[in-house]
Amino acid sequence: QKEVEQNSGPLSVPEGAIASLNCTYSDRGSQSFFWYRQYSGKSPELIMSIYSNGDKEDGRFTAQLNKASQYVSLLIRDSQPSDSATYLCAVNSLNTGFQKLVFGTGTRLLVSP
Amino acid sequence: GAGVSQSPSNKVTEKGKDVELRCDPISGHTALYWYRQRLGQGLEFLIYFQGNSAPDKSGLPSDRFSAERTGESVSTLTIQRTQQEDSAVYLCASSEQGLQYFGPGTRLLVL
Repeated sequence: QKEVEQNSGPLSVPEGAIASLNCTYSDRGSQSFFWYRQYSGKSPELIMSIYSNGDKEDGRFTAQLNKASQYVSLLIRDSQPSDSATYLCAVNSLNTGFQKLVFGTGTRLLVSP
Repeated sequence: GAGVSQSPSNKVTEKGKDVELRCDPISGHTALYWYRQRLGQGLEFLIYFQGNSAPDKSGLPSDRFSAERTGESVSTLTIQRTQQEDSAVYLCASSEQGLQYFGPGTRLLVL
């Protein structure tokens, strides 16, 4: 079982819709969760962090964390074509050290005009 | 402020040659990471430096790979006797309080 799992996609949504990106993780001791956006040919860019159960909102982005279900998600409201990118979920794993992150392989999001 | 910088941005080398990649972290960041990303693939952890502690080298794929960092400053990743399978983007990230910020990467092509 991979430590961090994401559906590779692509996830296709029309402009203006809500995009929902999901991630599951295996280490119950994980404490920090991050979402990165990676445009094609570019490096990952940190967009959200979440540390406690519930929702965290930042502009059009909402991160949701459910530690009991070992599940973290990212919602993008009013999706724009410029949101088309690969979204990487990252989880800190106590098995490998507090500061180290384990990355999922990413979900590719396509927002059509 | 300035972000993470990496050099060179692109490197083309011949199989068997050594290459050295450089990373300048964000000033004051104590943690520094190297990752490899092959085309269309996820991030592969290589090595992690935290302050003056011994680095975590658990991700280095072979003894041809090595990295150094002096204190909380510049890091270099060296690949000896490069192979075609080493072709990838090498990403550096620096971190403070668990938030990792990536540099633009070095795109390495081994012919």
